[in-house]
Amino acid sequence: DVKVTQSSRYLVKRTGEKVFLECVQDMDHENMFWYRQDPGLGLRLIYFSYDVKMKEKGDIPEGYSVSREKKERFSLILESASTNQTSMYLCASSWTGSDTQYFGPGTRLTVL
Amino acid sequence: SQQGEEDPQALSIQEGENATMNCSYKTSINNLQWYRQNSGRGLVHLILIRSNEREKHSGRLRVTLDTSKKSSSLLITASRAADTASYFCATDNTGTASKLTFGTGTRLQVTL
Repeated sequence: DVKVTQSSRYLVKRTGEKVFLECVQDMDHENMFWYRQDPGLGLRLIYFSYDVKMKEKGDIPEGYSVSREKKERFSLILESASTNQTSMYLCASSWTGSDTQYFGPGTRLTVL
Repeated sequence: SQQGEEDPQALSIQEGENATMNCSYKTSINNLQWYRQNSGRGLVHLILIRSNEREKHSGRLRVTLDTSKKSSSLLITASRAADTASYFCATDNTGTASKLTFGTGTRLQVTL
Protein backbone atom coordinates (compact mmCIF):
# COMPACT_ATOMS: atom_id res chain seq x y z
CA ASP A 1 0.00 0.00 0.00
CA VAL A 2 1.10 3.52 -0.73
CA LYS A 3 1.93 5.41 2.40
CA VAL A 4 2.22 9.16 2.70
CA THR A 5 3.16 10.47 6.10
CA GLN A 6 3.23 13.98 7.47
CA SER A 7 5.43 15.01 10.35
CA SER A 8 2.72 16.33 12.65
CA ARG A 9 -1.05 15.96 12.96
CA TYR A 10 -1.42 19.15 14.98
CA LEU A 11 0.93 22.11 15.22
CA VAL A 12 0.66 25.41 17.07
CA LYS A 13 3.04 28.23 16.18
CA ARG A 14 3.34 31.93 16.89
CA THR A 15 3.15 34.75 14.38
CA GLY A 16 6.53 35.36 12.76
CA GLU A 17 7.94 31.91 13.42
CA LYS A 18 9.47 29.85 10.64
CA VAL A 19 7.48 26.66 10.20
CA PHE A 20 8.51 23.43 8.50
CA LEU A 21 5.96 20.84 7.42
CA GLU A 22 7.44 17.55 6.27
CA CYS A 23 5.94 14.96 3.94
CA VAL A 24 7.40 11.56 3.11
CA GLN A 25 6.12 8.96 0.65
CA ASP A 26 7.35 5.40 0.32
CA MET A 27 6.29 4.50 -3.22
CA ASP A 28 8.97 6.18 -5.31
CA HIS A 29 6.47 8.68 -6.71
CA GLU A 30 7.89 11.39 -8.95
CA ASN A 31 5.17 13.96 -8.22
CA MET A 32 4.47 15.54 -4.86
CA PHE A 33 1.99 18.25 -3.91
CA TRP A 34 1.13 20.58 -1.04
CA TYR A 35 -2.45 21.81 -0.57
CA ARG A 36 -4.20 23.84 2.05
CA GLN A 37 -7.82 23.19 2.89
CA ASP A 38 -10.15 25.79 4.34
CA PRO A 39 -13.91 25.58 5.00
CA GLY A 40 -15.92 26.55 1.94
CA LEU A 41 -12.82 26.83 -0.26
CA GLY A 42 -11.95 23.18 -0.80
CA LEU A 43 -8.35 22.22 -1.57
CA ARG A 44 -6.05 24.82 -3.04
CA LEU A 45 -2.67 23.92 -4.51
CA ILE A 46 0.29 25.73 -2.96
CA TYR A 47 3.29 24.13 -4.67
CA PHE A 48 4.11 20.93 -6.50
CA SER A 49 7.20 19.09 -7.64
CA TYR A 50 7.81 16.73 -10.56
CA ASP A 51 11.27 15.65 -9.54
CA VAL A 52 14.06 16.14 -7.06
CA LYS A 53 15.11 19.79 -6.72
CA MET A 54 12.28 20.79 -9.02
CA LYS A 55 9.31 22.91 -7.91
CA GLU A 56 6.46 24.82 -9.47
CA LYS A 57 4.04 27.32 -8.00
CA GLY A 58 0.46 26.34 -7.58
CA ASP A 59 -2.52 28.64 -7.18
CA ILE A 60 -1.59 30.23 -3.83
CA PRO A 61 2.22 30.18 -3.34
CA GLU A 62 2.53 33.54 -1.58
CA GLY A 63 4.04 33.22 1.88
CA TYR A 64 5.27 29.68 1.25
CA SER A 65 8.34 27.97 -0.14
CA VAL A 66 9.21 24.31 -0.66
CA SER A 67 12.20 22.03 -0.74
CA ARG A 68 12.69 18.68 -2.39
CA GLU A 69 16.22 17.41 -1.82
CA LYS A 70 15.28 13.72 -1.95
CA LYS A 71 12.66 12.00 -4.06
CA GLU A 72 10.67 10.72 -1.11
CA ARG A 73 10.53 13.96 0.87
CA PHE A 74 8.78 17.24 0.13
CA SER A 75 8.90 20.04 2.68
CA LEU A 76 6.63 23.06 2.94
CA ILE A 77 8.13 26.12 4.61
CA LEU A 78 6.30 29.10 6.04
CA GLU A 79 9.05 31.72 6.19
CA SER A 80 7.20 33.95 8.67
CA ALA A 81 3.94 32.44 9.84
CA SER A 82 0.88 34.64 9.92
CA THR A 83 -2.57 34.05 11.40
CA ASN A 84 -4.13 33.76 7.93
CA GLN A 85 -2.01 30.66 7.37
CA THR A 86 -3.98 28.80 10.04
CA SER A 87 -5.35 25.90 8.04
CA MET A 88 -5.27 22.17 7.32
CA TYR A 89 -2.26 21.29 5.16
CA LEU A 90 -2.40 18.19 3.01
CA CYS A 91 0.46 16.52 1.18
CA ALA A 92 -0.08 14.18 -1.76
CA SER A 93 1.99 12.19 -4.22
CA SER A 94 1.51 10.40 -7.53
CA TRP A 95 3.35 8.57 -10.30
CA THR A 96 4.16 10.37 -13.51
CA GLY A 97 1.46 9.49 -16.02
CA SER A 98 -1.07 8.66 -13.32
CA ASP A 99 -3.68 11.16 -12.21
CA THR A 100 -4.51 9.43 -8.95
CA GLN A 101 -3.05 11.19 -5.94
CA TYR A 102 -2.35 9.59 -2.57
CA PHE A 103 -2.79 11.82 0.43
CA GLY A 104 -1.22 12.03 3.84
CA PRO A 105 -3.39 12.43 6.97
CA GLY A 106 -2.95 16.20 7.07
CA THR A 107 -1.42 18.70 9.49
CA ARG A 108 -3.74 21.11 11.23
CA LEU A 109 -1.67 24.24 11.78
CA THR A 110 -2.76 27.01 14.12
CA VAL A 111 -0.85 30.29 14.08
CA LEU A 112 -1.45 32.44 17.15
CA SER B 1 -8.75 28.47 -9.07
CA GLN B 2 -11.50 26.05 -8.15
CA GLN B 3 -12.90 24.42 -11.26
CA GLY B 4 -15.18 21.83 -9.71
CA GLU B 5 -18.32 22.79 -7.89
CA GLU B 6 -20.18 20.11 -5.99
CA ASP B 7 -23.87 20.15 -5.38
CA PRO B 8 -25.37 19.93 -2.84
CA GLN B 9 -22.96 21.34 -0.28
CA ALA B 10 -24.47 19.07 2.36
CA LEU B 11 -26.69 16.00 2.23
CA SER B 12 -28.31 14.06 5.04
CA ILE B 13 -29.90 10.66 4.42
CA GLN B 14 -30.84 7.54 6.33
CA GLU B 15 -28.92 4.30 6.16
CA GLY B 16 -30.03 2.18 3.23
CA GLU B 17 -30.98 5.14 1.04
CA ASN B 18 -29.06 6.21 -2.05
CA ALA B 19 -26.96 9.37 -2.09
CA THR B 20 -26.33 11.39 -5.23
CA MET B 21 -23.76 14.15 -5.51
CA ASN B 22 -23.09 16.31 -8.54
CA CYS B 23 -20.02 18.08 -9.83
CA SER B 24 -19.78 20.74 -12.52
CA TYR B 25 -16.59 21.99 -14.13
CA LYS B 26 -15.65 24.68 -16.60
CA THR B 27 -12.93 23.58 -19.01
CA SER B 28 -12.17 20.48 -21.06
CA ILE B 29 -10.83 17.58 -19.06
CA ASN B 30 -8.84 14.40 -19.58
CA ASN B 31 -10.52 12.68 -16.66
CA LEU B 32 -12.50 13.29 -13.50
CA GLN B 33 -11.98 11.65 -10.14
CA TRP B 34 -13.94 11.39 -6.91
CA TYR B 35 -12.27 11.38 -3.51
CA ARG B 36 -13.61 10.84 0.01
CA GLN B 37 -12.41 12.58 3.15
CA ASN B 38 -13.31 11.40 6.60
CA SER B 39 -13.49 14.16 9.18
CA GLY B 40 -10.09 15.72 9.81
CA ARG B 41 -8.21 13.21 7.67
CA GLY B 42 -6.57 13.03 4.24
CA LEU B 43 -8.40 12.28 1.01
CA VAL B 44 -8.83 8.79 -0.37
CA HIS B 45 -9.25 8.09 -4.07
CA LEU B 46 -12.55 6.40 -4.94
CA ILE B 47 -12.92 6.23 -8.71
CA LEU B 48 -11.65 7.77 -11.95
CA ILE B 49 -13.65 8.21 -15.14
CA ARG B 50 -12.00 9.22 -18.40
CA SER B 51 -13.39 11.82 -20.77
CA ASN B 52 -14.35 9.15 -23.32
CA GLU B 53 -16.35 7.16 -20.74
CA ARG B 54 -19.95 7.88 -19.79
CA GLU B 55 -20.46 5.62 -16.79
CA LYS B 56 -18.35 3.61 -14.42
CA HIS B 57 -19.10 1.33 -11.47
CA SER B 58 -17.08 0.25 -8.46
CA GLY B 59 -18.89 -1.71 -5.78
CA ARG B 60 -21.70 0.52 -4.47
CA LEU B 61 -20.39 3.51 -6.40
CA ARG B 62 -21.67 4.62 -9.78
CA VAL B 63 -20.16 7.60 -11.56
CA THR B 64 -21.50 9.26 -14.69
CA LEU B 65 -19.83 11.85 -16.85
CA ASP B 66 -21.47 14.18 -19.36
CA THR B 67 -18.76 16.15 -21.14
CA SER B 68 -21.29 18.12 -23.18
CA LYS B 69 -22.74 19.52 -19.94
CA LYS B 70 -19.38 19.51 -18.14
CA SER B 71 -20.88 17.62 -15.24
CA SER B 72 -20.49 14.39 -13.31
CA SER B 73 -22.50 12.61 -10.65
CA LEU B 74 -21.54 10.17 -7.93
CA LEU B 75 -24.19 7.76 -6.71
CA ILE B 76 -23.67 5.74 -3.54
CA THR B 77 -26.23 2.98 -3.28
CA ALA B 78 -27.51 1.41 -0.07
CA SER B 79 -25.62 3.91 2.06
CA ARG B 80 -24.09 3.00 5.41
CA ALA B 81 -23.16 5.07 8.42
CA ALA B 82 -19.52 4.50 7.46
CA ASP B 83 -20.14 6.45 4.23
CA THR B 84 -20.43 9.63 6.31
CA ALA B 85 -17.67 11.85 4.92
CA SER B 86 -17.01 14.72 2.55
CA TYR B 87 -16.80 13.90 -1.14
CA PHE B 88 -14.75 15.88 -3.65
CA CYS B 89 -14.52 15.80 -7.40
CA ALA B 90 -11.18 16.55 -9.04
CA THR B 91 -10.38 17.28 -12.65
CA ASP B 92 -7.22 16.93 -14.63
CA ASN B 93 -7.55 19.67 -17.18
CA THR B 94 -3.93 20.48 -17.82
CA GLY B 95 -2.86 17.22 -19.38
CA THR B 96 0.49 17.34 -17.67
CA ALA B 97 2.05 16.07 -14.51
CA SER B 98 -1.06 14.85 -12.75
CA LYS B 99 -2.02 18.28 -11.47
CA LEU B 100 -5.61 18.24 -10.23
CA THR B 101 -8.16 20.90 -9.47
CA PHE B 102 -10.52 20.04 -6.61
CA GLY B 103 -14.04 21.19 -5.95
CA THR B 104 -15.37 22.47 -2.66
CA GLY B 105 -16.96 19.17 -1.64
CA THR B 106 -20.28 17.68 -0.54
CA ARG B 107 -20.64 16.75 3.10
CA LEU B 108 -22.66 13.53 3.40
CA GLN B 109 -24.25 12.50 6.68
CA VAL B 110 -25.75 9.01 6.89
CA THR B 111 -27.86 8.40 9.97
CA LEU B 112 -29.04 5.13 11.44
